[in-house]
Amino acid sequence: QKEVEQNSGPLSVPEGAIASLNCTYSDRGSQSFFWYRQYSGKSPELIMSIYSNGDKEDGRFTAQLNKASQYVSLLIRDSQPSDSATYLCAVSYNNNDMRFGAGTRLTVKP
Amino acid sequence: EPEVTQTPSHQVTQMGQEVILRCVPISNHLYFYWYRQILGQKVEFLVSFYNNEISEKSEIFDDQFSVERPDGSNFTLKIRSTKLEDSAMYFCASSGDSQGPQYFGPGTRLTVT
Repeated sequence: QKEVEQNSGPLSVPEGAIASLNCTYSDRGSQSFFWYRQYSGKSPELIMSIYSNGDKEDGRFTAQLNKASQYVSLLIRDSQPSDSATYLCAVSYNNNDMRFGAGTRLTVKP
Repeated sequence: EPEVTQTPSHQVTQMGQEVILRCVPISNHLYFYWYRQILGQKVEFLVSFYNNEISEKSEIFDDQFSVERPDGSNFTLKIRSTKLEDSAMYFCASSGDSQGPQYFGPGTRLTVT
């Protein structure tokens, strides 16, 4: 069974703070890991992809992957009210079958 | 910037009717997918498609569902006999390689009455 688990939240942080989002997955053979952002009523929008252990930074976003612990995280620095959305962790074994977590709802308060 | 498009944006149908949801993937992408999201629930994988055949399908993708790439640009999802529980947002996605990220279309909201 390919499970992806996320804390559903809601997670609330003040503007300018760091938001930390976490995800665990069950399939040890998983190879590709993605973070998507989904605004209410909209489709998932890709934020980050990560494939190897360690950190990957893109602007205010940093993804972290630890395959031994089966753990992926996303840090958002200098959080803005426009970052308020649901963040989806997605895990794929060979890109034929990508599974999503239920998402963490983030609210950034001005 | 290239994007995935889907039509219609909203489809209302009666239970038992057939519906076809249409998608135009990003033009140079080779891997295509359908997902659904029931209101308030997580995004669920339905099917992946590559080289004109299904690569993988989930337990949700039963005999009432089918996919087709009828020409060089469109990718369709057909639901033969819709049920009330098929009401959901259906997303199409495409990817340029087997390990790369998937890019999602805006979705079709299907309402079965």
